[in-house]
Amino acid sequence: GNSVTQMEGPVTLSEEAFLTINCTYTATGYPSLFWYVQYPGEGLQLLLKATKADDKGSNKGFEATYRKETTSFHLEKGSVQVSDSAVYFCALSGGQTGANNLFFGTGTRLTVIP
Amino acid sequence: DAGVTQSPTHLIKTRGQQVTLRCSPKSGHDTVSWYQQALGQGPQFIFQYYEEEERQRGNFPDRFSGHQFPNYSSELNVNALLLGDSALYLCASSLGLAITDTQYFGPGTRLTVL
Repeated sequence: GNSVTQMEGPVTLSEEAFLTINCTYTATGYPSLFWYVQYPGEGLQLLLKATKADDKGSNKGFEATYRKETTSFHLEKGSVQVSDSAVYFCALSGGQTGANNLFFGTGTRLTVIP
Repeated sequence: DAGVTQSPTHLIKTRGQQVTLRCSPKSGHDTVSWYQQALGQGPQFIFQYYEEEERQRGNFPDRFSGHQFPNYSSELNVNALLLGDSALYLCASSLGLAITDTQYFGPGTRLTVL
């Protein structure tokens, strides 16, 4: 079945450091891949998405590339800010079910210190 | 443009009681999905409604039921509440059922079962 494995947290970085949060998935077919972010006290927001192999999603300085050969969708940012502190969730839809309900990873809490 | 709204914000119930949570989708959206997010975990898919019918269902017991109204709003009902049902319940809406469609989340309803 569909599943998402996400890098364990929490992650603590200094401001302007490079960020990588690893995400790998298991799914048949061609799922769509997403990164959602949950800021403190707020709901889930879509950060970026990629809907086919080799697509790169990007938003607010964050990037992730859909790698079918390694079944990965790692999140990266070149220089994090304090305001990026949040919980990040990798998710997929589609796969063997062909349905658009989302399968989420367990989330990675990022704390950026000044 | 109104986003996804949910009510109530918080709810406290006792074991064995029944609860109804409500969701209004983002303007123009016709598909509503419900997710359960336990503390420190990623959201888990409960079920999805489209054209007033349940289209997909996750691994949740029949105590969890739902409904979609002609105006696309939706309700989630949980009967015979258990302590383990304590969680944040998230509603998400999208336009249609394509796996490439983005799901937009509401702020959630925090349910506490005592």
